[in-house]
Amino acid sequence: QKEVEQDPGPLSVPEGAIVSLNCTYSNSAFQYFMWYRQYSRKGPELLMYTYSSGNKEDGRFTAQVDKSSKYISLFIRDSQPSDSATYLCAMRETSGSRLTFGEGTQLTVNP
Amino acid sequence: EPEVTQTPSHQVTQMGQEVILRCVPISNHLYFYWYRQILGQKVEFLVSFYNNEISEKSEIFDDQFSVERPDGSNFTLKIRSTKLEDSAMYFCASSGFQWEGYTFGSGTRLTVV
Repeated sequence: QKEVEQDPGPLSVPEGAIVSLNCTYSNSAFQYFMWYRQYSRKGPELLMYTYSSGNKEDGRFTAQVDKSSKYISLFIRDSQPSDSATYLCAMRETSGSRLTFGEGTQLTVNP
Repeated sequence: EPEVTQTPSHQVTQMGQEVILRCVPISNHLYFYWYRQILGQKVEFLVSFYNNEISEKSEIFDDQFSVERPDGSNFTLKIRSTKLEDSAMYFCASSGFQWEGYTFGSGTRLTVV
């Protein structure tokens, strides 16, 4: 079983749609959860960062963590063509420093 | 907004040659990292560095790899004898505290021929 699983897509939605991106994980020691956005041939850009379970909102983005189900989500409201990118989930244990990434979901928002 | 700067953006090297990838982390950050991404694959952790020493490294980070912070601003990754399978994007990242999200640079694309 992979430590972090993420549907690679591709996912294509019309402009203005609500997008839901998800990751599941198997390592119960993960406590820190991040979402990164990566444009082609660029570095990952941090979008959201949460600790343990709960929700966090930042503008059009909402991150949710359900540790009991080992499931995290990123919601994008009112999606824009500029949101077209690959979205990566990443996780870290409390004691370690390494991030474990998902494979990334490729999102296209069509005008 | 502060950013992590990596040079060069693209490097081509012959198999067996040594390469040094350079990074300038965000100036007040204390933790530094190298990751790599082979084309079409996920981003993988290589090494983390804090207080002038390696704090954690992955199975990929074998004896051919080394890291150094030669002065107060640069952070380098050296690959001693490059192999074809070292071809990848190499990302440097930094964070102010270990529990913060990491800021990544734009990467160096290493091509080994």
